[in-house]
Amino acid sequence: SQQGEEDPQALSIQEGENATMNCSYKTSINNLQWYRQNSGRGLVHLILIRSNEREKHSGRLRVTLDTSKKSSSLLITASRAADTASYFCATSVSNYKLTFGKGTLLTVNP
Amino acid sequence: DVKVTQSSRYLVKRTGEKVFLECVQDMDHENMFWYRQDPGLGLRLIYFSYDVKMKEKGDIPEGYSVSREKKERFSLILESASTNQTSMYLCASSPSRQTSSGNTIYFGEGSWLTVV
Repeated sequence: SQQGEEDPQALSIQEGENATMNCSYKTSINNLQWYRQNSGRGLVHLILIRSNEREKHSGRLRVTLDTSKKSSSLLITASRAADTASYFCATSVSNYKLTFGKGTLLTVNP
Repeated sequence: DVKVTQSSRYLVKRTGEKVFLECVQDMDHENMFWYRQDPGLGLRLIYFSYDVKMKEKGDIPEGYSVSREKKERFSLILESASTNQTSMYLCASSPSRQTSSGNTIYFGEGSWLTVV
């Protein structure tokens, strides 16, 4: 069963611009995570935000979480061509199982 | 760095064959997972294991079984492969379910299975 849903499904921007992706989910969560997947490869963990946190930063990444709206956003600032990938949100309702959304395909044009 | 290694990157099998996908992790993680990924459907959990010889069904276990005889190794078995099992299969691992720091999952590079 799909818990998280990313929006938009695809996003195309120019290098240097900011990219914002959103995730909505349905049930209460312990934490929400964002992962990145380069074409044809495995997923790589980017950042985790707990249910009692509202905002978190890691380098050029900024994640927000609004539990009242059951939504999260991932902002990538000053995008680079190397940021081209699919981005997934994953929600945790237990301490070991994650449920992934369908992903946002980000294309950063040089 | 955590390393999750999937033994085969690309496989082509015939309908009805028994298929084994092997996965090994080197970080002594308790939890291991098998997902499949299909266009438009995202990642779907097939099975997971939280300890040696322990397994639980995920969202789409039909047509699959798993084996975890050793902590570092988690195998996915397709008893009789069918064309609708053509997909990318991703193995993953994570630390103990009791962790208080979250449950980051570490993925392998994926195995592309084509059933003809």
